[in-house]
Amino acid sequence: DIQMTQSPSSLSASVGDRVTITCRASQSIDRNLNWHQQKPGKAPKVLIYGASSLQSGVPSRFSGSRSGTDFTLTISSLQPEDFATYYCQQSYSTPWTFGQGTKVEIK
Amino acid sequence: QVTLKESGPALVKPTQTLTLTCTFSGFSLSTSGMRVNWIRQPPGKALEWLARIDWDDDKFYSTSLKTRLTISKDTSKNQVVLTMTNMDPVDTATYYCARIHQVYGDLYFDYWGQGTLVTVSS
Repeated sequence: DIQMTQSPSSLSASVGDRVTITCRASQSIDRNLNWHQQKPGKAPKVLIYGASSLQSGVPSRFSGSRSGTDFTLTISSLQPEDFATYYCQQSYSTPWTFGQGTKVEIK
Repeated sequence: QVTLKESGPALVKPTQTLTLTCTFSGFSLSTSGMRVNWIRQPPGKALEWLARIDWDDDKFYSTSLKTRLTISKDTSKNQVVLTMTNMDPVDTATYYCARIHQVYGDLYFDYWGQGTLVTVSS
């Protein structure tokens, strides 16, 4: 199975901050990496697919990038509604696997 | 409008078999390219992908759980069923079904159900 290592596991940030979350795959997954946002008690919602494509309706402050097997989710200016848990997930091969999650909390 | 909804027992006893149903609307699982998955999330923990069934009846399973899982579809009822045998308290989780969307070569979950919490306890 492909292992997805996400960091940090949690972070505290203020509104307006630039936030970066990273995810490393245990082997090449090309650009088959998706980022999801999950709020308490809710199902996840996709933000980025294909490493860098913004899902329709998602604010442009979210962006994704790739360097080899390292992937980054960036929130350019954190907004109050962005406090949530974020997961990376590879769709390169089954079984699909998720990272451990990054909880973004209010500083 | 695409919707998915999970249903099944809220409480199961250890060693029992869990049967969950995902009832969906807004698409057909007989359409080429359609795929439905099951994912679970123990309380306070990360998401875990469990299984997937495709329009052509291809099936895929979690490596660690494949001996306990069976996924099937009833296209006429717009349902996908997941069974998990020999339930244990560590299987306590919210179970979600989700549809896969394909954009060129990219696959991702575009619609999720609301999830159903299953507790395993005697």
